[in-house]
Order: sequence, then C-alpha cells, then structure tokens
Amino acid sequence: DVKVTQSSRYLVKRTGEKVFLECVQDMDHENMFWYRQDPGLGLRLIYFSYDVKMKEKGDIPEGYSVSREKKERFSLILESASTNQTSMYLCASRDSGRNNEQFFGPGTRLTVL
Amino acid sequence: GENVEQHPSTLSVQEGDSAVIKCTYSDSASNYFPWYKQELGKRPQLIIDIRSNVGEKKDQRIAVTLNKTAKHFSLHITETQPEDSAVYFCAGYILTGGGNKLTFGTGTQLKVEL
Repeated sequence: DVKVTQSSRYLVKRTGEKVFLECVQDMDHENMFWYRQDPGLGLRLIYFSYDVKMKEKGDIPEGYSVSREKKERFSLILESASTNQTSMYLCASRDSGRNNEQFFGPGTRLTVL
Repeated sequence: GENVEQHPSTLSVQEGDSAVIKCTYSDSASNYFPWYKQELGKRPQLIIDIRSNVGEKKDQRIAVTLNKTAKHFSLHITETQPEDSAVYFCAGYILTGGGNKLTFGTGTQLKVEL
C-alpha cells in the first residue's frame, strides 16, 4: 500500500519566515510533485521532480523552491512566506512505469499571518 | 502547455439520478486522462482513468468517455448515492522533456441530495 506522508497537517507562520514542507513516499517512486489547492482554482502544480536532484518548474513556481536530495523525500521551501501563500499544500508521487496512478499525501494547511 | 477546463464547478443531483462532469483539453499529445475524487478533508484519490486508445471505460456505477477529435472527456456517475458527494478533478497527462506531469481541471463539487 503506497504511503505518502507530509510533515505537518497544520502550520501557522508569520510573514517573512522561511518555511519547509516535507514529503516522504515509501514506494520508490521516481516522480514527486508539489501542488497548492485553493477554492475554485483546483490543483495547481508548483514544482515537480522526476529524479534525485532533478527539478522542474510547474505552473506557479514563483516564491517557492524545492529540494530532492533523496529519492523518497521532496521538500518545498518558501524562502520568505507571504500572506498570499496561505493555502492547502499537497504532495504527490508517481511511478515512471506503466502505472500512471498518482498518490497524494494528506495535505498541509499553511496559514501565513 | 496543457490546459484542462472542467464544467460545471458545482453540481447538485437527487439520489438515484445520474451526474455528468465534462472536461476539455488543449494539447493533442495528451494520452492519459484520470479522474480523482476528493472527499471533504481527505486527499484526492484515483477513481477511474482512460487512455487515448480507448473511447470508453466503465467500472460499476462510474464510466468515462473520451472524444479525441473534439478533445473532451466526461465522467458519468449513475444511480448516485450520498457517498458520491465530493469534489471531482479531471486531469490530462503530458510527457515533458525531462519527466511527466498531470494538469488538473479546477474541480466539480458534486452534492447528492436525499
């Protein structure tokens, strides 16, 4: 059973703080993704990674960076959090093979005050 | 890049009725179209998917149809039940130079009323 876990379910930070969101998957998936989910806007891709130390920008990368030092872990970094980054953040992973099912983590509700 | 549009944004049906959610995509290279269901407070989960070499796929009460020429695909839920109430997302899959990614629609809030 695939498991994607995220370090926090709820997080409250102040404007200007550096924020780390961690995601870990246990199925040896090559691909990992970070999305933010906002009402009416669906799931928007921030960054993704298809291999260790590889990363590609998604549709809304501004204000974010990522790190993938190990295959199982993909971190999302907000260098200087702003109030417009208040959102639900979802991590996901997927195998590169025939099975294209993407597995999501439980999400982190981030509030920036 | 790929653009996926989804309609309607909200859908309310009576229990037992059918529900249809429609999506269009822009990139003719897309070849895989999954549907995810997200119940309140939970993570999105795959419920059905279809590949571009197939026109229709069915799994019990849910079915998906694909029209490659028109670049649209639809989710059909028959005999709706209260537990079908959720947000449904369609997506299109495209292979990029270095990897692959899904582009999601904006979601449909389905409410099944008793």
